[in-house]
Amino acid sequence: EDQVTQSPEALRLQEGESSSLNCSYTVSGLRGLFWYRQDPGKGPEFLFTLYSAGEEKEKERLKATLTKKESFLHITAPKPEDSATYLCAVQGMDSNYQLIWGAGTKLIIKP
Amino acid sequence: EPEVTQTPSHQVTQMGQEVILRCVPISNHLYFYWYRQILGQKVEFLVSFYNNEISEKSEIFDDQFSVERPDGSNFTLKIRSTKLEDSAMYFCASSEAFRDMQETQYFGPGTRLLVL
Repeated sequence: EDQVTQSPEALRLQEGESSSLNCSYTVSGLRGLFWYRQDPGKGPEFLFTLYSAGEEKEKERLKATLTKKESFLHITAPKPEDSATYLCAVQGMDSNYQLIWGAGTKLIIKP
Repeated sequence: EPEVTQTPSHQVTQMGQEVILRCVPISNHLYFYWYRQILGQKVEFLVSFYNNEISEKSEIFDDQFSVERPDGSNFTLKIRSTKLEDSAMYFCASSEAFRDMQETQYFGPGTRLLVL
């Protein structure tokens, strides 16, 4: 069964303090791994898609990396506006494109 | 920038009543999805839809649920007889195409459904 586990559940950082969020996954064959940002009461906002181990994508202060078992979302010198819940989702070869989601990491950046 | 829109933003209904949640996907997208998120829980897949038929559905998507694309722009989720446990945020998503590489799914702002 496809499964996604994110850690930590919550992370509090000072503004400027870099860190990483983890997404571990088990899937029969990975079609794609997705990172989304979700603000309270809003829909998931797309950040990155990763398809194969070794792939990296960057956007502003965020960088996503992928191995065969996990993905990391690295946040460099975060600002308070980066505070949100970050969701990881995978799509397996056996599914017909549905996304399997992790529970998310709630990130709080203190000024 | 094109975006997925959903109406209403909030819906309160009595148990046993029918509700219809509406979505307007991004205009050139061909694949449509419904997900739900119960407060404090993971996002869960409900159904995917392509070429006027269901492509895949989860165990949650039982006979009480149905989807429809009534015209060229709208995509709806109907719950025939709502239960208390149907209370959740419902998200519509769309993607451009299925190819060898997966197309990204873009999400709407959600409809918060409360069943009393």
